[in-house]
Amino acid sequence: DVVVTQTPLSLSVTPGQPASISCKSSQSLLHSDGKTSLFWYLQKPGQSPQLLIYDLSSRFSGVPDRFSGSGSGTDFTLKISRVEAEDVGVYYCMQGIHLPYTFGQGTKLEI
Amino acid sequence: QVQLVESGGGLVKPGGSLRLSCEASGFTFSDHQMSWSRQAPGQGLEWISYTSYSDNTIYYADSVRGRFTISRDNAKNLVYLQMNSLRAEDTAVYYCARGARPNYWGQGTLVTVSS
Repeated sequence: DVVVTQTPLSLSVTPGQPASISCKSSQSLLHSDGKTSLFWYLQKPGQSPQLLIYDLSSRFSGVPDRFSGSGSGTDFTLKISRVEAEDVGVYYCMQGIHLPYTFGQGTKLEI
Repeated sequence: QVQLVESGGGLVKPGGSLRLSCEASGFTFSDHQMSWSRQAPGQGLEWISYTSYSDNTIYYADSVRGRFTISRDNAKNLVYLQMNSLRAEDTAVYYCARGARPNYWGQGTLVTVSS
């Protein structure tokens, strides 16, 4: 299975400041169609996960533009330009090209 | 709006069986692949299975292959997860999701395997 590794595992951020989470995969996530199958999810406390970013850098419906995804090949980054209180929770990246799809361990963001 | 509602979780003894259901609404069910993921208590997410639009293509993670069966009923907007030979390590919240690569998630249903 493809191993997905996130760093850091926890992050404490002051509101209004930026935050960045790294995600590395053991194999390339570049599809033959040119898309990179890397997803970012946020699981807020007591809730189910919600999709933030799909195909490396596309924001899902309703996701604020302070969230952005970037990277290539096996190295990826989720950036929050200005953290808000509602952004607390655990962030997961997931690779969606090699079955079984696999998640990173999660990064807990605290304010 | 898209809604996914899981049911069928509960307490079961090791070796027992359970069938989870997920009722979908707010979208054309037959146009979407569906998947199941799980989250053990205090742990991260594990993707475990998906089914294509009409069960033509199905995949299982090694951890559940041979014990779990995913299926769907497009007439009823339902996706199922039949879980047999349950083990303590299957204890988790089980989420159904729209898409093999989840975009919308249900609220989850807790399965506890314990004697």
